Amino acid sequence: DGGITQSPKYLFRKEGQNVTLSCEQNLNHDAMYWYRQDPGQGLRLIYYSQIVNDFQKGDIAEGYSVSREKKESFPLTVTSAQKNPTAFYLCASSTLETGGYTFGSGTRLTVV
Amino acid sequence: GENVEQHPSTLSVQEGDSAVIKCTYSDSASNYFPWYKQELGKGPQLIIDIRSNVGEKKDQRIAVTLNKTAKHFSLHITETQPEDSAVYFCAASRWSSASKIIFGSGTRLSIRP
Repeated sequence: DGGITQSPKYLFRKEGQNVTLSCEQNLNHDAMYWYRQDPGQGLRLIYYSQIVNDFQKGDIAEGYSVSREKKESFPLTVTSAQKNPTAFYLCASSTLETGGYTFGSGTRLTVV
Repeated sequence: GENVEQHPSTLSVQEGDSAVIKCTYSDSASNYFPWYKQELGKGPQLIIDIRSNVGEKKDQRIAVTLNKTAKHFSLHITETQPEDSAVYFCAASRWSSASKIIFGSGTRLSIRP
């Protein structure tokens, strides 16, 4: 079955360490997105990519970095520059011809 | 920039009653309006969507209405059941475009037994 996979589901890191969240899709979607969700809050866009080797900053890109070397993969690195990294991170994908997103199941990052 | 406002932020209804969530959007070029349901600890799932060439769409107990003139769209859930309890997000975007989706802030729906 086609889908979008995020790993790991739970991640713990010490303050000051960089951490990379994985997102892989086998839907042949062109576009991929990273969102951050804080408890009881909505979805805030971190980065998005519409084509391989290209990506754009979203509304809250500071302290994050991404790469898009393959169509299937869009990893997100949470750097030590991110002031408050503890959150639920969601990856999504879509085709450029349609509007609907397919979301992954999320990664809950806790920084201690 | 583009904005989608969603109301109410929380909604509690008796099991079997109807629930209505309303959204307004600012980008008049928006022509695609999906609704997502997010259960606790999971990613949002698309439950229904509507394009601007229709005014209403139904799928069993769920319906969405669109008023392009007023830039309003709404989600209606009838005969609510406990499994309808979740957070619901409305969204707007331009179909057949590279534009990203703009999400509303979410509505936490609770169904009282």
